[in-house]
Amino acid sequence: GQQVMQIPQYQHVQEGEDFTTYCNSSTTLSNIQWYKQRPGGHPVFLIQLVKSGEVKKQKRLTFQFGEAKKNSSLHITATQTTDVGTYFCAGESGTYKYIFGTGTRLKVLA
Amino acid sequence: DTGVSQDPRHKITKRGQNVTFRCDPISEHNRLYWYRQTLGQGPEFLTYFQNEAQLEKSRLLSDRFSAERPKGSFSTLEIQRTEQGDSAMYLCASSMNSNQPQHFGDGTRLSIL
Repeated sequence: GQQVMQIPQYQHVQEGEDFTTYCNSSTTLSNIQWYKQRPGGHPVFLIQLVKSGEVKKQKRLTFQFGEAKKNSSLHITATQTTDVGTYFCAGESGTYKYIFGTGTRLKVLA
Repeated sequence: DTGVSQDPRHKITKRGQNVTFRCDPISEHNRLYWYRQTLGQGPEFLTYFQNEAQLEKSRLLSDRFSAERPKGSFSTLEIQRTEQGDSAMYLCASSMNSNQPQHFGDGTRLSIL
């Protein structure tokens, strides 16, 4: 079945440093969504990517969808303490169900 | 938009008992998903509905799990003869339609004694 992996599993950064998490799917995706989950909270939708090679920006966050639509990345520029949480990608491969990645837990040290 | 609500927030039960959780999606959302999440893991797909029709159920899900969405509004997830391994956070999410942002509830945390 479809599998979605994320690396790294954990990342500790100093406030102001950049952060990147990578998402890889075992199958070609129709679209990919990114979510953020704060400790003790539920996943909150960040963005959806649909087109091959698509790049979207939200303030300090940059999202990319690979040309082959099997991988994606989230890059945060100049992290802040409010960026703390776990970032998940969720891929949909034509079955209308989403398979979530393993997540990357981000800690930002002030 | 009152968000997705789930009830109860916590459920503690003895092994072997049956439990039922409820999810009220955002009104007008046609798609409803159930996920299970354990500590340090991503949400694991369980099943989803398009209106009242259950379109897919995870093959990893045993026959002890059943879900309904009788009128295309709220949904229930029942676990029969609970086992230790069922302890997890059960999350419900809804979206307007397929390939739309999912809005999650706060989840029901199930603890099996």
